[in-house]
Amino acid sequence: EIVLTQSPGTLSLSPGERAALSCRASQNINSDLAWYQHRPGQAPRLLIYDASNRATGIPARFSGSGSGADFTLTISSLEPQDSAVYYCQQRNSWPRAFGQGTKVEIK
Amino acid sequence: VQLVESGGGLVKPGGSLRLSCVGSGFSVSTYTMNWARHAPGKGLEWVSTISNSGTYIYYADSVRGRFTISRDNAKNSVYLQMNNLRVDDTAFYYCARGRLTTNWFDPWGQGTLVTVSS
Repeated sequence: EIVLTQSPGTLSLSPGERAALSCRASQNINSDLAWYQHRPGQAPRLLIYDASNRATGIPARFSGSGSGADFTLTISSLEPQDSAVYYCQQRNSWPRAFGQGTKVEIK
Repeated sequence: VQLVESGGGLVKPGGSLRLSCVGSGFSVSTYTMNWARHAPGKGLEWVSTISNSGTYIYYADSVRGRFTISRDNAKNSVYLQMNNLRVDDTAFYYCARGRLTTNWFDPWGQGTLVTVSS
């Protein structure tokens, strides 16, 4: 079973700053990784798929990178509406595990 | 494209509930469909997946043997039958469409709340 470990647990930054969220897999998952945004009271939303592809309608300030076992979600210039919990998920094998999430707080 | 879940509520430990997810703006029969949940104070947890034909079905270890996923393509719907519910099944349950060929979850419904308490 593949385990995804996200870090840090919480990120507290000011608007305009750059955020870098990490997701590490317990084994090689190639590029079989996605990132989701989950705002309180809303449905989760797909941001990035296949490690580096932005989903439809996702602003260009969101980008994904990495392959193998180490992945990063970067938000280049934070905006207030980016306050959310961000999850990575793998599809390399079953179960389709999520990471434990990184909470992004906007000061 | 929209997904709407229903069927959540308050149930006692050991009880049962059946969640429904109705799709609109697309044909559910074309897609793999998924259920995931978000328990209070915890992260997202994948629960179950069913292929477009219903041939392939997968469950998380935490629900296997208690939950059953099914689909009715004629009703453009997917279901989650939950039996022998436990307190730690308390969560918002989300239905999500799987992207073609990759099954990334997109989009998600708004969720339905299941509370298991005596």
